[in-house]
Amino acid sequence: DADVTQTPRNRITKTGKRIMLECSQTKGHDRMYWYRQDPGLGLQLIYYSFDVKDINKGEISDGYSVSRQAQAKFSLSLESAIPNQTALYFCATSDGVGAADTQYFGPGTRLTVL
Amino acid sequence: GIQVEQSPPDLILQEGANSTLRCNFSDSVNNLQWFHQNPWGQLINLFYIPSGTKQNGRLSATTVATERYSLLYISSSQTTDSGVYFCAVVGSWGKLQFGAGTQVVVTP
Repeated sequence: DADVTQTPRNRITKTGKRIMLECSQTKGHDRMYWYRQDPGLGLQLIYYSFDVKDINKGEISDGYSVSRQAQAKFSLSLESAIPNQTALYFCATSDGVGAADTQYFGPGTRLTVL
Repeated sequence: GIQVEQSPPDLILQEGANSTLRCNFSDSVNNLQWFHQNPWGQLINLFYIPSGTKQNGRLSATTVATERYSLLYISSSQTTDSGVYFCAVVGSWGKLQFGAGTQVVVTP
């Protein structure tokens, strides 16, 4: 079984709808992250959480919110989706041990906003 | 913030060829990682390499931190090596900053 899972894997929605993307991990890591990837570009950090009570904005947090329900679960919400939020969304985890903070990524959620 | 530049942006290889991908970064880093994104979108961590050289099968990486660059070598390329290769560093705000990637296509 995959260590980091994301649901749904694909979603098509309409402008103005509220959407939630979910991420679960079995790696036992405290740190979790949400990224978005636009076509032909690298990843940009949306939000990150170093533990259940610690949530921080990333580079591009406007239009998004998150919830860290437990160590293993980190959800991303789009309160009112807009077309330029069409992208590939990745969840990642890391153990935060020293500088070798290697990140492990989920399979991604492909979101299309019409 | 820190700038991460990858070159070349695109690379087409014939199976069996060797290649070198480059990552330049604009400031000192203590964390540099290379990732491979396969054609299905999955991201796999290849190396954690803030300095020195590491090898994993046909892939190897070298980071020269004092000169602010890292190289990823692909030897005897296979079609399964196709995809996008990303370099990512920990920037001034302590989080991973990704480059734009190198798109690699390996033809049979």
